[in-house]
Amino acid sequence: EVQLVESGGGLVQPGGSLRLSCAASGFTFSNYWMTWVRQTPEKGLEWVANTHPGGGQRSHVDSVRGRFTISRDNARNSLYLQMNSLRVEDTAIYYCARDPFYGALDQWGQGTLVVVSS
Amino acid sequence: DVVMTQSPLSLPVTLGQPASISCRSSQSLVHSDGNTYLHWFQQRPGQSPRRLIYKISNRDSGVPDRFSGSGSGTDFTLKISGVEAEDVGIYYCMQGAHWPYTFGQGTKLEIK
Repeated sequence: EVQLVESGGGLVQPGGSLRLSCAASGFTFSNYWMTWVRQTPEKGLEWVANTHPGGGQRSHVDSVRGRFTISRDNARNSLYLQMNSLRVEDTAIYYCARDPFYGALDQWGQGTLVVVSS
Repeated sequence: DVVMTQSPLSLPVTLGQPASISCRSSQSLVHSDGNTYLHWFQQRPGQSPRRLIYKISNRDSGVPDRFSGSGSGTDFTLKISGVEAEDVGIYYCMQGAHWPYTFGQGTKLEIK
C-alpha cells in the first residue's frame, strides 16, 4: 500500500524556519517526481514545489522561491521542504504528493499544518 | 501563470440528480507533447484531496463510472450522472501543461 506521511509542522513566528518531512512507502520512491502542495481556506490549493526523481531538478513557485527549498533523500525514501523566512501568509496545510506525470497527483499524504503567527 | 476558473463555486444538488462543473483555463492546456494535462480532484470533508480523473477524461481506479470528464483546449467539464451522498465535498481542476501548475478555486458540492 502506498503511504505518504508528513511531519514537522507547527507554530512558528514570522521570520522563523521549519523543515517538513514526508516519509514514503509502498512504491519505488526514486522513480517518481514528488511535490509539495499547500492549502488555505482563502486561496485553496497552491502548488509549492516539485523535484525530479533523481533530485537534480527542482522548481519552486514564485511566492516561495528563495525562501523554501525542496529536497529528497532517495536512500531514506523521504521528501523535505526547508522553509525559511516564514511569513504569516505561509500559514497552510502542507501536503506531499506523488506525481507520475505533469501534475497528475495520484497519491497524497494526510497533510501537516504550519501556522506562522506572533 | 495559467488561471483556472471554475463555475459554479457552490453546487447544491438533489440526491440522484446530475451535476456539472465547468473549468476554464486562461491558456490552452495542450502540451508540446500533444497531451492535455487537465486533471480533476475530489476533497471530501476532513480528507486530503484525491485524484478522480487525469488527462481530461481518464477515470482513476475505484472511481465510480457516474463521474466523467470531457473538454479540450481551454474548456473542460466534470459531470456526475447521479449524485450520491458520498460525493459531497470540494472538486478542483488542475492544469499540468504549464509551470507553475495551477488549481481552480474549487466547487463545493452539497446535497440540497
